[in-house]
Amino acid sequence: QQPVQSPQAVILREGEDAVINCSSSKALYSVHWYRQKHGEAPVFLMILLKGGEQKGHEKISASFNEKKQQSSLYLTASQLSYSGTYFCGAKSNDYKLSFGAGTTVTVRA
Amino acid sequence: SAVISQKPSRDICQRGTSLTIQCQVDSQVTMMFWYRQQPGQSLTLIATANQGSEATYESGFVIDKFPISRPNLTFSTLTVSNMSPEDSSIYLCSVVGQGSDYGYTFGSGTRLTVV
Repeated sequence: QQPVQSPQAVILREGEDAVINCSSSKALYSVHWYRQKHGEAPVFLMILLKGGEQKGHEKISASFNEKKQQSSLYLTASQLSYSGTYFCGAKSNDYKLSFGAGTTVTVRA
Repeated sequence: SAVISQKPSRDICQRGTSLTIQCQVDSQVTMMFWYRQQPGQSLTLIATANQGSEATYESGFVIDKFPISRPNLTFSTLTVSNMSPEDSSIYLCSVVGQGSDYGYTFGSGTRLTVV
């Protein structure tokens, strides 16, 4: 079952912050985050395995609330290079990764 | 992380014909996944390809339409059969990374247009 992602799109100016949310109705084993730039393949950013865990990649970090089956991706002090579509991927107790609908992030100078 | 070579990168095909997409990985991997991505949409899992066994298909995808081969631990093919314009999409193969993070690595994708 596809996780629910919000917002659908966000426009930022350089240096601004944003939060992307991902929630699932199924119990989650892990949450993945990917970024896809136009015309390119999705690129793995990070995986969160434990409840309440936070990880970081550049100035991008994420949290995972296992009890609520929710994850959030935090874009801090955004840069032009952060533009792209962000997908969360939810993995339950099987090996399959289901992707959310995506959040398009546009960072403007 | 693994490096995947996916071919062809794009193709324009006539309806009723078939196209075979190849994915070559630079290391041995147990599972390979095939995804479809409609323009501007999310990624939908078509099937999981394990070496030595039949592929496992997701709901809405059948072997007759999307036959998959997995002859060894570094290679897989996906065939889109008897194509119609509705099959126009981007097809991506993916593998699970090795190591503690287990992120997925994707091939560069095949952009298919059926006319």
